[in-house]
Amino acid sequence: EVQLVESGGGLVQPGASLKLSCVASGFTFSDYWMSWVRQTPGKTMEWIGDIKYDGSYTNYAPSLKNRFTISRDNAKSTLYLQMSNVRSEDTATYYCTGRMRWGQGVMVTVSS
Amino acid sequence: DIVMTQGALPNPVPSGESASITCQSSKSLLHSNGKTYLNWYLQRPGQSPQLLIYWMSTRASGVSDRFSGSGSGTDFTLKISSVEAEDVGVYYCQQFLEYPRTFGGGTKLELK
Repeated sequence: EVQLVESGGGLVQPGASLKLSCVASGFTFSDYWMSWVRQTPGKTMEWIGDIKYDGSYTNYAPSLKNRFTISRDNAKSTLYLQMSNVRSEDTATYYCTGRMRWGQGVMVTVSS
Repeated sequence: DIVMTQGALPNPVPSGESASITCQSSKSLLHSNGKTYLNWYLQRPGQSPQLLIYWMSTRASGVSDRFSGSGSGTDFTLKISSVEAEDVGVYYCQQFLEYPRTFGGGTKLELK
């Protein structure tokens, strides 16, 4: 069974950094492009970016490109999202997606 | 960016009736390869989104045949025949023709 399990969320202060992880199982992780999507408290879906199966290429939403970095470790079947200089508007549930599946999501709250 | 606009449903929908959800894109999603780069998702209450339809009209694995997708290059419809309790939630369309990937604002389905 395909599973994507995110972790690393929580309460973080404005300006801080945070790294989310997503562990994949049930499929050959290194064969698939993977993405991050976030959902705001108002339920708006925002695509963050994606990464090629071998990690050699990434795409980002222009508004997030300078602060967010997507990476992966195929040996660990793990996808990462490094968030820096976080702002209150980054408060959302973050989802890892790939192979037509979504993880259960992890909440990030940015507040002092 | 490609803007995705979803219509509303005349909620609540009586159980057993059909429901059609519309989505419009600001640019044609029809590629020269003949495929239309549109996904439909369902997010049930308290759950992460689930892929229902890809390539505008192809049902994802395990999705009921009560769900069908159709459309042209810019106007799309997700039809749910004989609505059931498990269909309650918010439906999202998403384009994956261009970066950044973009989502519609969601259409809520409530059951009568």
